[in-house]
Amino acid sequence: AQKITQTQPGMFVQEKEAVTLDCTYDTSDQSYGLFWYKQPSSGEMIFLIYQGSYDEQNATEGRYSLNFQKARKSANLVISASQLGDSAMYFCAMRDRGNTGKLIFGQGTTLQVKP
Amino acid sequence: GAVVSQHPSWVICKSGTSVKIECRSLDFQATTMFWYRQFPKQSLMLMATSNEGSKATYEQGVEKDKFLINHASLTLSTLTVTSAHPEDSSFYICSARWSYNSPLHFGNGTRLTVT
Repeated sequence: AQKITQTQPGMFVQEKEAVTLDCTYDTSDQSYGLFWYKQPSSGEMIFLIYQGSYDEQNATEGRYSLNFQKARKSANLVISASQLGDSAMYFCAMRDRGNTGKLIFGQGTTLQVKP
Repeated sequence: GAVVSQHPSWVICKSGTSVKIECRSLDFQATTMFWYRQFPKQSLMLMATSNEGSKATYEQGVEKDKFLINHASLTLSTLTVTSAHPEDSSFYICSARWSYNSPLHFGNGTRLTVT
C-alpha cells in the first residue's frame, strides 16, 4: 500500500532563514505524483507545489522548492527566506494509484516562524 | 486560480438533527470531488470520493447512511450528516479537481459542532 510519512511534528525557524520539511513515501508504482499543501490556522488547504515522478528537475514555485530524491523516496519541501506568514501546518501528499486519483496525506508538520 | 467554495464555514446543531454542507467549484467543472474529515492537529482523513452523476465511493469505516453525499452537477457536491451526534463534531473539508492529473483544490472547510 502507498504511504506518506512526515516525521517532524513541529519545526521552528528564524524569520528570513530557510527551512526543510521532510517527507518520505512508499510506493511500488513507477508513475506517481507528490504534492505539498499549507494549512494556516484558519483551516483552508493551499496548494504549494507538485512533483511528478518522471520530472527530471526539482519543482520550484517562488520561495518553495521540492528536493526530490527518487532513489531515497523522499520529497522534502524547502522554504527559503521564511516569513511570519509561513507559520502553518504543512502536508505532503501522494496521488493514490487507483482510478480515483485520491490524495493520501502525511501526518503533517507544524512550522512556526520566529521573528 | 481554481476556486472551491464551501458553505457554511461553521455550524452548530443539536444532537439528532441533520446538517448539509455544500461544496462548489466556481470556475471549473469538477468531475470528481473528495470529502475529508480532520480532527484538531491531525491529518486529513478521506471519507468519500464523489463523481458527478454516480454514487459516491466511501472509504472503509465510513457510514454511508450517516454521511450522505450527492454530486448533483459538475460544480456542486453536498455532504449531509444525518442524525448528528457530538462525536460527529469535526472539521469537514471538500476538494475538487478538473482532471486526474490536476492538483486538488480545497474549500475553506466547515467546522461542525454538535451539542
